[in-house]
Amino acid sequence: TQTVSQSDAHVTVFEGDSVELRCNYSYGGSIYLSWYIQHHGHGLQFLLKYYSGNPVVQGVNGFEAEFSKSDSSFHLRKASVHWSDSAVYFCAVSASSNNRIFFGDGTQLVVKP
Amino acid sequence: DMKVTQMPRYLIKRMGENVLLECGQDMSHETMYWYRQDPGLGLQLIYISYDVDSNSEGDIPKGYRVSRKKREHFSLILDSAKTNQTSVYFCASRRDSSGNTLYFGEGSRLIVV
Repeated sequence: TQTVSQSDAHVTVFEGDSVELRCNYSYGGSIYLSWYIQHHGHGLQFLLKYYSGNPVVQGVNGFEAEFSKSDSSFHLRKASVHWSDSAVYFCAVSASSNNRIFFGDGTQLVVKP
Repeated sequence: DMKVTQMPRYLIKRMGENVLLECGQDMSHETMYWYRQDPGLGLQLIYISYDVDSNSEGDIPKGYRVSRKKREHFSLILDSAKTNQTSVYFCASRRDSSGNTLYFGEGSRLIVV
């Protein structure tokens, strides 16, 4: 069974700051890793994913994430946040062999003006 | 236009009443999901559907059943609603060649009194 851990429940930064949201997973096989964003009162929206190849993947709105097999991590980063980036961010993992997708508990990002 | 539509968006029911939550997608995706989201608990998987009449229990199926008679439509049914089923319910569909890229609806907020 895959598990996903997002160690920070809340992160607060100022507009223009860089941010890193952490995600660690446990699974020994071939997996897909993704990040989703959820604005208040809405459903989740896909940001980016990794399966193989370049460990740094680019997503929408300037987000990128880096896969590390040695650390079992897939951290999300943005170089300069905007107030509209305030949302809850979910990391997700699934095995390539099945349809089950496991989500972390989410990280609430607050961007102050 | 890739879209997952959930109806109703908001619903108040009395304990013991039946509840029908409906979900439609216009992408011909085979796999669809029902999740519930509660504060502090992240997303919990209720049911997965692999295609018409091919459904599988998720992690918390008790008290729920599903119906998928057409590929584009996936319903969640609560036959006798309980107060602990008060939650926000999300439907999602998956593009099967995409790993774990899910498309989510906007959610259905159910209150059981």
